[in-house]
Amino acid sequence: DAGVIQSPRHEVTEMGQEVTLRCKPISGHDYLFWYRQTMMRGLELLIYFNNNVPIDDSGMPEDRFSAKMPNASFSTLKIQPSEPRDSAVYFCASSLGGAGFNEQFFGPGTRLTVL
Amino acid sequence: GDSVTQMEGPVTLSEEAFLTINCTYTATGYPSLFWYVQYPGEGLQLLLKATKADDKGSNKGFEATYRKETTSFHLEKGSVQVSDSAVYFCALNRMEYGNKLVFGAGTILRVKS
Repeated sequence: DAGVIQSPRHEVTEMGQEVTLRCKPISGHDYLFWYRQTMMRGLELLIYFNNNVPIDDSGMPEDRFSAKMPNASFSTLKIQPSEPRDSAVYFCASSLGGAGFNEQFFGPGTRLTVL
Repeated sequence: GDSVTQMEGPVTLSEEAFLTINCTYTATGYPSLFWYVQYPGEGLQLLLKATKADDKGSNKGFEATYRKETTSFHLEKGSVQVSDSAVYFCALNRMEYGNKLVFGAGTILRVKS
């Protein structure tokens, strides 16, 4: 299995531009998570989906952030407009089942730099 | 709400030293407990887990025992290697969360040769 795939791996953009991060979860997994990691705030859960439906988006920082999962094999995280404080590594993860002890499989991350 | 507290790092050790990274948690009910590891430039990966009290998770020479009486899940390794240098995250999950993990802040481990 290819694991969780994220693209792009690196993104450099200017303040005010729209940024779209993409994620392909492991085939068959029914949960998908978006995280943000910074030195200052550590690892933060932004939003997660179950069977393509958003379950908890309480971690989304503000209206500039939006996430979609149009089908079981694809999700996007969009930032519009981007700001320098959005610079971080964004991870996508997926897992199978909701029993409470299932492993989350993380992608390699997208390093976003907003100038 | 539920929370996980880890010892602050960085932890710096010489090769072959004994490692302990402390982790305590606050949660209602009976959470599952995890250790994830993040190597430089990579995403997190599961290192080990325990799903009930007194369970011991183990992998790659690392061990952690689920202690409900002390609400702890300390990570140990008898002899660390340079290749163990990474960030280690303790985490918990409850079924009510539907696989949503509550992570600690992470502990940086540096192993010198």
